[in-house]
Amino acid sequence: DAKTTQPTSMDCAEGRAANLPCNHSTISGNEYVYWYRQIHSQGPQYIIHGLKNNETNEMASLIITEDRKSSTLILPHATLRDTAVYYCIVRVGNSGGYQKVTFGTGTKLQVIP
Amino acid sequence: GAGVSQSPRYKVTKRGQDVALRCDPISGHVSLYWYRQALGQGPEFLTYFNYEAQQDKSGLPNDRFSAERPEGSISTLTIQRTEQRDSAMYRCASSLGRNTEAFFGQGTRLTVV
Repeated sequence: DAKTTQPTSMDCAEGRAANLPCNHSTISGNEYVYWYRQIHSQGPQYIIHGLKNNETNEMASLIITEDRKSSTLILPHATLRDTAVYYCIVRVGNSGGYQKVTFGTGTKLQVIP
Repeated sequence: GAGVSQSPRYKVTKRGQDVALRCDPISGHVSLYWYRQALGQGPEFLTYFNYEAQQDKSGLPNDRFSAERPEGSISTLTIQRTEQRDSAMYRCASSLGRNTEAFFGQGTRLTVV
């Protein structure tokens, strides 16, 4: 699986959009971009994933650049409960499952009142 | 069950002892994964099962670590002759299939003294 690069930490004002970047310049054509978050000591929670098109669900939006070398997770109206570590990972979507996935250290997002 | 269940939640053991960590995945989930998470780090892949078959164990750090899932449901991760460096949070996740989102359990905090 390709490696990803994320900023170590970010702050965001409550109510504002949080934009979390991720670089994955060595992504392969069959690798998906997945985002998870981990709140305090809980297990990682799935947020969203995509291959090349932008995706949106009830939690967030995922914007993937045309060359697929980077992506941005957008939390449209950040709340204090969104304070967490956000992980961007890339992995093969149609075979292989989650083996050998490297979560890395992620981005610690602090939402400020 | 409603979610992935792991037991025990906390385990303190003396160096040299064997430990067995249990994971009860979400009912019907075919895929099961074990991860280890050190403080301040993202989860690190250990091994992966599809039904009862161990598809990938390349993440197991050495031969003291083993895992099984004999009936394709509950899984046990066993660490023999524990060492202090084995101290970590051990997380289990399950998914409906190989290409679907994974749900994580609360983890087992292992402390080797």
